[in-house]
Amino acid sequence: GQNIDQPTEMTATEGAIVQINCTYQTSGFNGLFWYQQHAGEAPTFLSYNVLDGLEEKGRFSSFLSRSKGYSYLLLKELQMKDSASYLCAVLDSNYQLIWGAGTKLIIKP
Amino acid sequence: ETGVTQTPRHLVMGMTNKKSLKCEQHLGHNAMYWYKQSAKKPLELMFVYSLEERVENNSVPSRFSPECPNSSHLFLHLHTLQPEDSALYLCASSQDIGKGANVLTFGAGSRLTVL
Repeated sequence: GQNIDQPTEMTATEGAIVQINCTYQTSGFNGLFWYQQHAGEAPTFLSYNVLDGLEEKGRFSSFLSRSKGYSYLLLKELQMKDSASYLCAVLDSNYQLIWGAGTKLIIKP
Repeated sequence: ETGVTQTPRHLVMGMTNKKSLKCEQHLGHNAMYWYKQSAKKPLELMFVYSLEERVENNSVPSRFSPECPNSSHLFLHLHTLQPEDSALYLCASSQDIGKGANVLTFGAGSRLTVL
């Protein structure tokens, strides 16, 4: 079966750095997405990786290793507004999105 | 208005009621989706429409009935639901389907409670 694993919950301190991991086992691979979802709001797109390596977008970076079936989302200089759930999703060989259950990130002052 | 708009934001219904969820997108996208989001579970894809034709129906019970009258509007008709159907129902749109960097734009969801 197809599976995406990510931690259920993480806690970090304002101003610090946090890394949210995502491992996947899917039928084929056509890219990996990260979305952010604040409580009671719509998920919003953060990043898309299809090649190995690190993609940086301001305070957020996303890394992919296809050979290891592994990605992480790196958040730097954490702000209180980064408290949210972070969803990892993989596009399989049929272009179906396989979703993880999300990681709830709690930022403490 | 811009983006994807869902109404109502909250809905409480009994098991014998009939109600509908509405989704509207102003992005000129060709594909629209219904997802079910339950606490601590992955998003569950329910239906996909591309250019107003249904292309995906993931074994969803018949008590959920989608309707896509045009590429900007999507409905989810609900009847004789069960308490386990209580969840957040998310609508999304994308430019197309079956492509790599196919980013979904989501609505804020309709929180459904079935009593």
